[in-house]
Amino acid sequence: DAGITQSPRHKVTETGTPVTLRCHQTENHRYMYWYRQDPGHGLRLIHYSYGVKDTDKGEVSDGYSVSRSKTEDFLLTLESATSSQTSVYFCAISDGQGDYYEQYFGPGTRLTVT
Amino acid sequence: GQNIDQPTEMTATEGAIVQINCTYQTSGFNGLFWYQQHAGEAPTFLSYNVLDGLEEKGRFSSFLSRSKGYSYLLLKELQMKDSASYLCAVMDSNYQLIWGAGTKLIIKP
Repeated sequence: DAGITQSPRHKVTETGTPVTLRCHQTENHRYMYWYRQDPGHGLRLIHYSYGVKDTDKGEVSDGYSVSRSKTEDFLLTLESATSSQTSVYFCAISDGQGDYYEQYFGPGTRLTVT
Repeated sequence: GQNIDQPTEMTATEGAIVQINCTYQTSGFNGLFWYQQHAGEAPTFLSYNVLDGLEEKGRFSSFLSRSKGYSYLLLKELQMKDSASYLCAVMDSNYQLIWGAGTKLIIKP
Protein backbone atom coordinates (compact mmCIF):
# COMPACT_ATOMS: atom_id res chain seq x y z
CA ASP A 1 0.00 0.00 0.00
CA ALA A 2 1.14 3.51 -0.82
CA GLY A 3 2.19 5.45 2.26
CA ILE A 4 -0.44 8.15 2.50
CA THR A 5 -1.96 9.47 5.69
CA GLN A 6 -4.55 12.14 6.27
CA SER A 7 -5.24 14.11 9.41
CA PRO A 8 -7.57 14.57 11.06
CA ARG A 9 -9.71 11.58 10.07
CA HIS A 10 -12.86 13.17 11.43
CA LYS A 11 -13.67 16.78 12.23
CA VAL A 12 -16.75 18.72 13.24
CA THR A 13 -16.51 22.47 12.96
CA GLU A 14 -18.78 25.49 12.96
CA THR A 15 -19.73 27.65 10.02
CA GLY A 16 -17.28 30.48 9.50
CA THR A 17 -14.27 28.86 11.14
CA PRO A 18 -11.06 28.07 9.25
CA VAL A 19 -10.13 24.42 8.80
CA THR A 20 -6.90 22.82 7.57
CA LEU A 21 -6.63 19.23 6.43
CA ARG A 22 -3.25 17.59 6.03
CA CYS A 23 -2.07 14.95 3.59
CA HIS A 24 1.29 13.30 4.15
CA GLN A 25 3.05 10.85 1.82
CA THR A 26 6.18 8.77 2.15
CA GLU A 27 6.38 7.72 -1.51
CA ASN A 28 8.15 10.81 -2.89
CA HIS A 29 5.49 11.08 -5.60
CA ARG A 30 5.44 14.30 -7.59
CA TYR A 31 1.69 14.78 -7.94
CA MET A 32 -0.75 15.26 -5.09
CA TYR A 33 -4.49 15.86 -5.30
CA TRP A 34 -7.38 16.87 -3.08
CA TYR A 35 -10.84 15.53 -3.92
CA ARG A 36 -14.20 15.72 -2.25
CA GLN A 37 -16.75 12.95 -2.45
CA ASP A 38 -20.48 13.54 -1.99
CA PRO A 39 -23.43 11.19 -2.48
CA GLY A 40 -24.62 11.17 -6.08
CA HIS A 41 -21.45 12.78 -7.33
CA GLY A 42 -18.20 11.35 -8.54
CA LEU A 43 -14.98 12.36 -6.91
CA ARG A 44 -14.46 16.02 -7.69
CA LEU A 45 -11.02 17.60 -7.91
CA ILE A 46 -10.48 20.62 -5.66
CA HIS A 47 -6.81 21.43 -6.19
CA TYR A 48 -3.72 19.57 -7.22
CA SER A 49 0.04 19.98 -7.02
CA TYR A 50 2.70 19.02 -9.52
CA GLY A 51 5.66 19.89 -7.33
CA VAL A 52 6.77 21.89 -4.31
CA LYS A 53 5.01 25.27 -4.40
CA ASP A 54 3.39 24.35 -7.74
CA THR A 55 -0.37 24.07 -7.46
CA ASP A 56 -3.39 24.54 -9.67
CA LYS A 57 -7.15 24.69 -9.35
CA GLY A 58 -9.51 21.85 -10.03
CA GLU A 59 -13.19 21.68 -10.83
CA VAL A 60 -14.50 22.86 -7.43
CA SER A 61 -11.79 25.14 -6.01
CA ASP A 62 -13.96 28.03 -4.76
CA GLY A 63 -13.66 28.42 -0.99
CA TYR A 64 -10.51 26.28 -0.79
CA SER A 65 -6.81 27.01 -0.86
CA VAL A 66 -3.78 24.71 -0.78
CA SER A 67 -0.10 24.81 0.00
CA ARG A 68 2.80 22.47 -0.62
CA SER A 69 6.05 23.55 1.02
CA LYS A 70 7.55 20.06 1.08
CA THR A 71 7.27 17.10 -1.29
CA GLU A 72 5.59 14.99 1.36
CA ASP A 73 2.93 17.41 2.62
CA PHE A 74 -0.10 18.90 0.90
CA LEU A 75 -2.43 21.07 2.97
CA LEU A 76 -6.03 21.94 2.14
CA THR A 77 -7.52 24.99 3.88
CA LEU A 78 -11.12 26.05 4.08
CA GLU A 79 -10.78 29.74 4.87
CA SER A 80 -14.30 30.08 6.27
CA ALA A 81 -16.15 26.79 6.38
CA THR A 82 -19.72 26.57 5.09
CA SER A 83 -22.30 23.80 5.42
CA SER A 84 -21.91 23.04 1.70
CA GLN A 85 -18.35 21.96 2.45
CA THR A 86 -19.55 19.07 4.60
CA SER A 87 -18.07 16.14 2.74
CA VAL A 88 -15.50 13.37 2.72
CA TYR A 89 -12.13 14.64 1.55
CA PHE A 90 -9.60 12.35 -0.08
CA CYS A 91 -6.00 13.03 -0.83
CA ALA A 92 -4.35 11.12 -3.68
CA ILE A 93 -0.84 10.83 -5.02
CA SER A 94 0.68 9.82 -8.34
CA ASP A 95 4.17 9.64 -9.75
CA GLY A 96 2.77 10.57 -13.16
CA GLN A 97 5.25 8.42 -15.00
CA GLY A 98 5.20 5.44 -17.27
CA ASP A 99 2.18 3.93 -18.91
CA TYR A 100 0.04 4.33 -15.84
CA TYR A 101 -1.03 7.48 -14.10
CA GLU A 102 -2.61 5.52 -11.31
CA GLN A 103 -3.60 7.51 -8.28
CA TYR A 104 -3.29 6.12 -4.77
CA PHE A 105 -5.71 7.40 -2.18
CA GLY A 106 -5.40 8.25 1.47
CA PRO A 107 -7.98 7.01 3.99
CA GLY A 108 -10.10 10.17 3.82
CA THR A 109 -11.24 12.88 6.22
CA ARG A 110 -14.90 13.19 7.12
CA LEU A 111 -15.67 16.87 7.70
CA THR A 112 -18.95 18.11 9.12
CA VAL A 113 -19.69 21.84 9.16
CA THR A 114 -22.54 22.74 11.52
CA GLY B 1 -18.99 19.24 -21.11
CA GLN B 2 -17.39 16.14 -19.72
CA ASN B 3 -19.58 13.30 -18.58
CA ILE B 4 -19.17 9.79 -17.20
CA ASP B 5 -22.29 7.63 -16.87
CA GLN B 6 -22.65 4.38 -14.96
CA PRO B 7 -25.62 2.70 -13.28
CA THR B 8 -26.30 3.81 -9.74
CA GLU B 9 -26.86 0.36 -8.27
CA MET B 10 -26.78 -3.30 -9.31
CA THR B 11 -27.62 -6.52 -7.53
CA ALA B 12 -26.11 -9.92 -8.23
CA THR B 13 -25.91 -13.36 -6.65
CA GLU B 14 -22.87 -14.90 -5.02
CA GLY B 15 -21.01 -17.10 -7.53
CA ALA B 16 -22.54 -15.38 -10.55
CA ILE B 17 -21.11 -12.94 -13.13
CA VAL B 18 -21.92 -9.23 -13.32
CA GLN B 19 -21.05 -6.58 -15.90
CA ILE B 20 -20.88 -2.91 -14.90
CA ASN B 21 -21.04 -0.50 -17.81
CA CYS B 22 -19.51 2.94 -18.18
CA THR B 23 -20.00 5.44 -21.01
CA TYR B 24 -18.03 8.62 -21.32
CA GLN B 25 -17.72 11.90 -23.18
CA THR B 26 -14.53 13.75 -22.33
CA SER B 27 -12.12 16.32 -23.67
CA GLY B 28 -9.47 13.97 -24.90
CA PHE B 29 -8.68 10.48 -23.71
CA ASN B 30 -5.56 9.16 -22.00
CA GLY B 31 -6.98 5.99 -20.52
CA LEU B 32 -9.84 4.65 -18.45
CA PHE B 33 -9.58 3.44 -14.88
CA TRP B 34 -11.75 1.27 -12.68
CA TYR B 35 -11.53 1.59 -8.91
CA GLN B 36 -13.22 -0.34 -6.12
CA GLN B 37 -14.44 1.44 -3.02
CA HIS B 38 -15.80 -0.36 0.02
CA ALA B 39 -18.14 1.64 2.22
CA GLY B 40 -16.24 4.08 4.42
CA GLU B 41 -12.92 3.34 2.75
CA ALA B 42 -10.67 4.85 0.10
CA PRO B 43 -10.88 3.89 -3.57
CA THR B 44 -8.38 1.26 -4.66
CA PHE B 45 -7.14 0.68 -8.19
CA LEU B 46 -8.53 -2.27 -10.17
CA SER B 47 -7.67 -1.78 -13.83
CA TYR B 48 -6.48 0.53 -16.57
CA ASN B 49 -7.34 0.44 -20.30
CA VAL B 50 -5.89 2.73 -22.93
CA LEU B 51 -6.23 0.51 -26.01
CA ASP B 52 -9.38 -1.19 -27.30
CA GLY B 53 -10.01 -4.67 -26.07
CA LEU B 54 -10.21 -6.79 -22.98
CA GLU B 55 -7.78 -6.77 -20.07
CA GLU B 56 -8.08 -9.74 -17.74
CA LYS B 57 -6.83 -9.80 -14.18
CA GLY B 58 -7.97 -12.81 -12.20
CA ARG B 59 -11.72 -12.70 -11.55
CA PHE B 60 -11.93 -9.15 -12.89
CA SER B 61 -11.78 -8.07 -16.55
CA SER B 62 -12.16 -4.66 -18.12
CA PHE B 63 -13.10 -3.86 -21.70
CA LEU B 64 -12.70 -0.65 -23.69
CA SER B 65 -14.09 0.63 -26.98
CA ARG B 66 -12.73 4.11 -27.65
CA SER B 67 -14.85 4.61 -30.78
CA LYS B 68 -18.01 4.01 -28.76
CA GLY B 69 -16.88 5.82 -25.61
CA TYR B 70 -17.70 2.67 -23.67
CA SER B 71 -16.15 0.40 -21.10
CA TYR B 72 -17.30 -2.38 -18.85
CA LEU B 73 -15.98 -4.13 -15.78
CA LEU B 74 -16.75 -7.85 -15.61
CA LEU B 75 -16.65 -9.60 -12.27
CA LYS B 76 -16.76 -13.40 -12.25
CA GLU B 77 -17.38 -15.91 -9.46
CA LEU B 78 -18.79 -13.18 -7.27
CA GLN B 79 -17.95 -13.26 -3.59
CA MET B 80 -19.62 -11.42 -0.73
CA LYS B 81 -16.49 -9.29 -0.34
CA ASP B 82 -17.11 -7.88 -3.84
CA SER B 83 -19.98 -5.86 -2.39
CA ALA B 84 -18.67 -2.33 -2.94
CA SER B 85 -18.96 0.67 -5.19
CA TYR B 86 -17.14 0.53 -8.52
CA LEU B 87 -15.88 3.83 -9.90
CA CYS B 88 -15.16 4.52 -13.56
CA ALA B 89 -12.75 7.37 -14.33
CA VAL B 90 -11.35 8.76 -17.58
CA MET B 91 -8.06 10.62 -17.87
CA ASP B 92 -8.66 13.64 -20.09
CA SER B 93 -6.32 15.59 -22.35
CA ASN B 94 -4.88 17.45 -19.29
CA TYR B 95 -4.13 14.13 -17.56
CA GLN B 96 -6.82 14.84 -14.99
CA LEU B 97 -9.23 12.10 -13.89
CA ILE B 98 -12.93 12.68 -14.55
CA TRP B 99 -14.98 10.41 -12.31
CA GLY B 100 -18.35 8.76 -12.63
CA ALA B 101 -20.64 8.75 -9.59
CA GLY B 102 -20.00 5.05 -9.03
CA THR B 103 -22.05 1.86 -9.18
CA LYS B 104 -23.02 0.28 -5.88
CA LEU B 105 -22.89 -3.50 -6.27
CA ILE B 106 -24.93 -5.56 -3.84
CA ILE B 107 -24.14 -9.28 -3.63
CA LYS B 108 -26.83 -11.59 -2.29
CA PRO B 109 -26.20 -15.12 -1.01
